[in-house]
Amino acid sequence: AQSVTQPDIHITVSEGASLELRCNYSYGATPYLFWYVQSPGQGLQLLLKYFSGDTLVQGIKGFEAEFKRSQSSFNLRKPSVHWSDAAEYFCAVGLMEYGNKLVFGAGTILRVKS
Amino acid sequence: GAVVSQHPSRVICKSGTSVKIECRSLDFQATTMFWYRQFPKQSLMLMATSNEGSKATYEQGVEKDKFLINHASLTLSTLTVTSAHPEDSSFYICSAPETGVGSPLHFGNGTRLTVT
Repeated sequence: AQSVTQPDIHITVSEGASLELRCNYSYGATPYLFWYVQSPGQGLQLLLKYFSGDTLVQGIKGFEAEFKRSQSSFNLRKPSVHWSDAAEYFCAVGLMEYGNKLVFGAGTILRVKS
Repeated sequence: GAVVSQHPSRVICKSGTSVKIECRSLDFQATTMFWYRQFPKQSLMLMATSNEGSKATYEQGVEKDKFLINHASLTLSTLTVTSAHPEDSSFYICSAPETGVGSPLHFGNGTRLTVT
């Protein structure tokens, strides 16, 4: 069965420090991978997506993610975190044979300390 | 960019009543929309896939008669929580793909339902 694992429930980083959020997936076919961000009480905003091609993808707000097939990973990174990045981040795999259905990871809550 | 509007953002209702949540794609047509439910401090769980002009497809364990879905047009899907009970209190989020298979989903801002 398809699944997405985000091993870190909470992460705290200092403002200006670098960030890496981990994501591993289990999926039989070539995955479509996404990272979304959710602020409290809000919907989800797409940060970036991977469909094919270059395995390093750039997203909005200075985020990037690297697809590593050998490790079944799609980790999200940002070189310098801002206080406004504090939110919950969800990794998702797209089940395109079922028409764009997404399976989400459990999420990682990012806290930024000044 | 593509926008999905969800209304209301918050609703409080009494046990036994029904609540309707609307999801609209504002500048694109969506033949398919997805309804997710999110429990506190948990991830999103897909409840059902709403299909314009046909019946919704429900995920295993989701009660069809409890959560009625109507996809009346290419820009509107509604979720009605019937005979709501406190255990139905949750955050409900709709989403829609902008174009065909493979396009990312755009999410509404969610509806916080509280059943008293």
